Amino acid sequence: DVKVTQSSRYLVKRTGEKVFLECVQDMDHENMFWYRQDPGLGLRLIYFSYDVKMKEKGDIPEGYSVSREKKERFSLILESASTNQTSMYLCASSSATGDTGELFFGEGSRLTVL
Amino acid sequence: KNQVEQSPQSLIILEGKNCTLQCNYTVSPFSNLRWYKQDTGRGPVSLTIMTFSENTKSNGRYTATLDADTKQSSLHITASQLSDSASYICVVRAASGTYKYIFGTGTRLKVLA
Repeated sequence: DVKVTQSSRYLVKRTGEKVFLECVQDMDHENMFWYRQDPGLGLRLIYFSYDVKMKEKGDIPEGYSVSREKKERFSLILESASTNQTSMYLCASSSATGDTGELFFGEGSRLTVL
Repeated sequence: KNQVEQSPQSLIILEGKNCTLQCNYTVSPFSNLRWYKQDTGRGPVSLTIMTFSENTKSNGRYTATLDADTKQSSLHITASQLSDSASYICVVRAASGTYKYIFGTGTRLKVLA
C-alpha cells in the first residue's frame, strides 16, 4: 500500500519557536509538495520539490522554508512560528511520469501556535 | 485567472438518499479533474479522475461527470452511507506547469442516520 507519512499529527508550539514538519513517501516519487489547509480557503501550495535538493516556491512561501536532502523525505520548516501559521499542513507526492499526476497525501499535521 | 468553485459549501442528507456535488472551473489549458474525499482529520484520497475525453466515470456508488464545453463536473453519490460523511474536493490539473493543481474549497457532506 502506497504511503505518505507525516511525522507529527498534532503539534502545539509557542510564538517564535522553530518548527520542523517531516514527510516521508515510499513510492519513489519525484515530486513532493507542502500545502496548508484552512477553512474556507482550501489547500494552498507553500513549496514543492521535483528532485533532490531542488525546491520551488508555491503561492504562499513567506515564513516557510523546505529541505529535500533525500528523494523520499521533504521537510517543512517554520523558522519563527507565528499565530497566523496555525493550520493543518498536508504533504503530498506524485510521480513525474505518466499523465494523471495523482497526488498522494499524508494524514496531515495540525499545528497550533500559541 | 485559474479558479475552481464548488457548490454547495455544505450539505446534510439522510442515509440512503442520493446527492450531487458541483464543480465549475476556469482552468486553461486543462489536463484532468479529480475528485478527492477527505475524512475529518485525514488527508484527501482520490476517488476518480476525469480527462478531457471522458463524460462519465463510476467508482462504486460514486459517479463523476465532466462537461468540458461548459467546464463543469459533478459527483453523484447514490444510496448514501454514514461513511460518506466527509469533505469532497474538486482538483483541476493544468496542462501547463507540471506542478499546477487548482483546488476547490470543498463541499462538506454530512449523512444522518
